[in-house]
Amino acid sequence: AQSVTQLDSQVPVFEEAPVELRCNYSSSVSVYLFWYVQYPNQGLQLLLKYLSGSTLVESINGFEAEFNKSQTSFHLRKPSVHISDTAEYFCAVSGNSGYSTLTFGKGTMLLVSP
Amino acid sequence: KAGVTQTPRYLIKTRGQQVTLSCSPISGHRSVSWYQQTPGQGLQFLFEYFSETQRNKGNFPGRFSGRQFSNSRSEMNVSTLELGDSALYLCASSSRETGTDTQYFGPGTRLTVL
Repeated sequence: AQSVTQLDSQVPVFEEAPVELRCNYSSSVSVYLFWYVQYPNQGLQLLLKYLSGSTLVESINGFEAEFNKSQTSFHLRKPSVHISDTAEYFCAVSGNSGYSTLTFGKGTMLLVSP
Repeated sequence: KAGVTQTPRYLIKTRGQQVTLSCSPISGHRSVSWYQQTPGQGLQFLFEYFSETQRNKGNFPGRFSGRQFSNSRSEMNVSTLELGDSALYLCASSSRETGTDTQYFGPGTRLTVL
């Protein structure tokens, strides 16, 4: 079984400031890791994922996340945020064998103000 | 390709009634998963169907059931509705051929139980 902890329920930042959304996971097996974003009244959109290979993964809109196996973390970062990044961000984990299901964290609300 | 579609988008029911939600996956995807999202519990996995067979099941009472048709469309049913069933119900599809495939989410059905 897996579990995910997102340490911050809400992160307020000013526009153009850097941001880090923290995610830690627990698992007895090797994992795949995901970040999803949810805008108001919408479903979840995949932001980026780690399956294997390079531990640093990037999204097309400037976010990146680094898989740290020793610290069981997968923190999401962006060097300069925009107002449009305001949304809820969910970290998720699944086991990497068989057909494992996604386990989500509680989410972090990113609030970007001018 | 068209994305995952869910109908209806909004639904209001009263306690004791039953409800059926529908999900059409991305063309070619054979796996459909269902999640319940509430402010208190976050995102919780309900069940997954693959090629008309339930492959995984979350920890929900038997009032929650689902099925998948030969065209991969899926329905979930909740019988004897309770106030606590008010939630956003999200459907996700993936090809799931290898178990690593990304899940793509629909916009959700917002169920309100009065």
